[in-house]
Amino acid sequence: DQQVKQNSPSLSVQEGRISILNCDYTNSMFDYFLWYKKYPAEGPTFLISISSIKDKNEDGRFTVFLNKSAKHLSLHIVPSQPGDSAVYFCAASDSGGSNYKLTFGKGTLLTVNP
Amino acid sequence: KAGVTQTPRYLIKTRGQQVTLSCSPISGHRSVSWYQQTPGQGLQFLFEYFSETQRNKGNFPGRFSGRQFSNSRSEMNVSTLELGDSALYLCASSLAPQEPGNTIYFGEGSWLTVV
Repeated sequence: DQQVKQNSPSLSVQEGRISILNCDYTNSMFDYFLWYKKYPAEGPTFLISISSIKDKNEDGRFTVFLNKSAKHLSLHIVPSQPGDSAVYFCAASDSGGSNYKLTFGKGTLLTVNP
Repeated sequence: KAGVTQTPRYLIKTRGQQVTLSCSPISGHRSVSWYQQTPGQGLQFLFEYFSETQRNKGNFPGRFSGRQFSNSRSEMNVSTLELGDSALYLCASSLAPQEPGNTIYFGEGSWLTVV
């Protein structure tokens, strides 16, 4: 059972426009969320995170929004750049659990066209 | 400083064989976790080791095992390989056990193909 879902396998946007990557989760115990970016032939790298006590976290061009009632989070990249082209993974965790671990989605391939 | 190093980067094995993958964490990091990435399932947690002890385990069969050495280096082993074990195996390290706010750093992965 997929507890973290990224329903869009791919997304294509024009350079300079906004990229919006979506993620849904089913486990109501999840309270800490992260986004990772992965280039081909490289390991994932941490991008941004958000705790459930917030509904927004911003870091430069990257903003993550969390809607707890909808069990939905999104990553906004503004403005998008060709170098942002990568696979983006959403991850979630239950910080109160006895065995903390990250549960990842299947990823969304973002392509930013020049 | 050097990142997470995984060896080998690429390997091909035959069904029924076993394989051992190695991971050297970032210097000073004591937590090592392993993930399997496949196109159909994304990134799935295998296990985490901290101070030579398995701290957490994902939902994988007992054919998947691991260990951590006193220098924090870790190995994972898959026995009786199946075609479905073909995947990218990622190792990640962190200073302390995985917990909120504690960033984990991934290696480039070991690509395993089972034929």
